[in-house]
Amino acid sequence: GQQVMQIPQYQHVQEGEDFTTYCNSSTTLSNIQWYKQRPGGHPVFLIQLVKSGEVKKQKRLTFQFGEAKKNSSLHITATQTTDVGTYFCAGRSNFGNEKLTFGTGTRLTIIP
Amino acid sequence: GAGVSQSPSNKVTEKGKDVELRCDPISGHTALYWYRQSLGQGLEFLIYFQGNSAPDKSGLPSDRFSAERTGGSVSTLTIQRTQQEDSAVYLCASSEQGAGGYTFGSGTRLTVV
Repeated sequence: GQQVMQIPQYQHVQEGEDFTTYCNSSTTLSNIQWYKQRPGGHPVFLIQLVKSGEVKKQKRLTFQFGEAKKNSSLHITATQTTDVGTYFCAGRSNFGNEKLTFGTGTRLTIIP
Repeated sequence: GAGVSQSPSNKVTEKGKDVELRCDPISGHTALYWYRQSLGQGLEFLIYFQGNSAPDKSGLPSDRFSAERTGGSVSTLTIQRTQQEDSAVYLCASSEQGAGGYTFGSGTRLTVV
């Protein structure tokens, strides 16, 4: 079945440093989404990417969807303590229904 | 309602007992999903409902797990003869058909002792 892997599993950064998490799918995706889960909370939808090579920005966050629609990345510039949490990518396959397969997640901790 | 509501928020049960978890999705959302998340782990898909279509049950881990959705709204996930490995947070989410992201509820933390 479809698998979605993320690296790294954990990332510790000094406040103000940049952070990037990478997402790779075993199959081509129709679209990819990103979610943030704060410690003790539930996943919250951040963004959806649909087009090959698409790049979207939300303030300090930059999301990319690969040309082959099998990988994606999330880059945070100048991290802040509010960025702490686990970031999940989630993809829908080209030929499946609407259910998402979630990536393994990257847990970000910030050193003040 | 304004968000996805799940109840109970916490449930402690004895091994072998049955439990029912409830999810009330956002009004008008036709799609409803159940996932579970073990401590510090990712989200494991369980089941998906879309309108009046047959549910996608491909993620249910055993025949002890079942779910229904009544009237296209509220859903109940039932776990029979609970085992310790069933301990996890059970998350429900809903979405508009074919559009955008999921809205998750706050989850039910199930502990089997």
